[in-house]
Amino acid sequence: NAGVTQTPKFRVLKTGQSMTLLCAQDMNHEYMYWYRQDPGMGLRLIHYSVGEGTTAKGEVPDGYNVSRLKKQNFLLGLESAAPSQTSVYFCASNTGQGLDSPLHFGNGTRLTVT
Amino acid sequence: DAKTTQPPSMDCAEGRAANLPCNHSTISGNEYVYWYRQIHSQGPQYIIHGLKNNETNEMASLIITEDRKSSTLILPHATLRDTAVYYCIVRARTSGGSNYKLTFGKGTLLTVNP
Repeated sequence: NAGVTQTPKFRVLKTGQSMTLLCAQDMNHEYMYWYRQDPGMGLRLIHYSVGEGTTAKGEVPDGYNVSRLKKQNFLLGLESAAPSQTSVYFCASNTGQGLDSPLHFGNGTRLTVT
Repeated sequence: DAKTTQPPSMDCAEGRAANLPCNHSTISGNEYVYWYRQIHSQGPQYIIHGLKNNETNEMASLIITEDRKSSTLILPHATLRDTAVYYCIVRARTSGGSNYKLTFGKGTLLTVNP
């Protein structure tokens, strides 16, 4: 049981390039989330999904797209990377069964956009 | 989500109990108190959560005051590996009803000293 796995762990992009971050969970969780973490800003929610085939915007969705084609996977895409997207990205998941359901996080993807 | 207030930093001697306070005076009746921690370069790790009653698990104890306006996370025998940023989060259902996200603040940096 690996929990939440994120790939890649590190990536350097040039401005304008695109990439996809992959999140996989093996806990059969319904809900999945993408956060970014920047110094002094805490974790901010980018997008989330309440089930296979569904996505919704979080607090800072601009410049990102997501897809949830399979229940176990949640993809975060950057179509045209900008230096402001340099950050650490965390994926999380939970059962979604009310407020009594902890989120479980992956170990992050460290992205640098030059 | 209700706002939480935590001290920015605390120190604790190895082997002693670490008591981390959190104020959440605007908490509502159906909102849970969650604690996470983040060790450098890793994803947030779930510790414990509660609604009204005190809770204990293999990692920690959570003491919630009777009026629910504050809580304390207790690590009974702190070790050097417990050095991390600890986040106290009040989790509520958003206006949309289906978004059970967590809002992270800046947390408390706990340093366990030998």
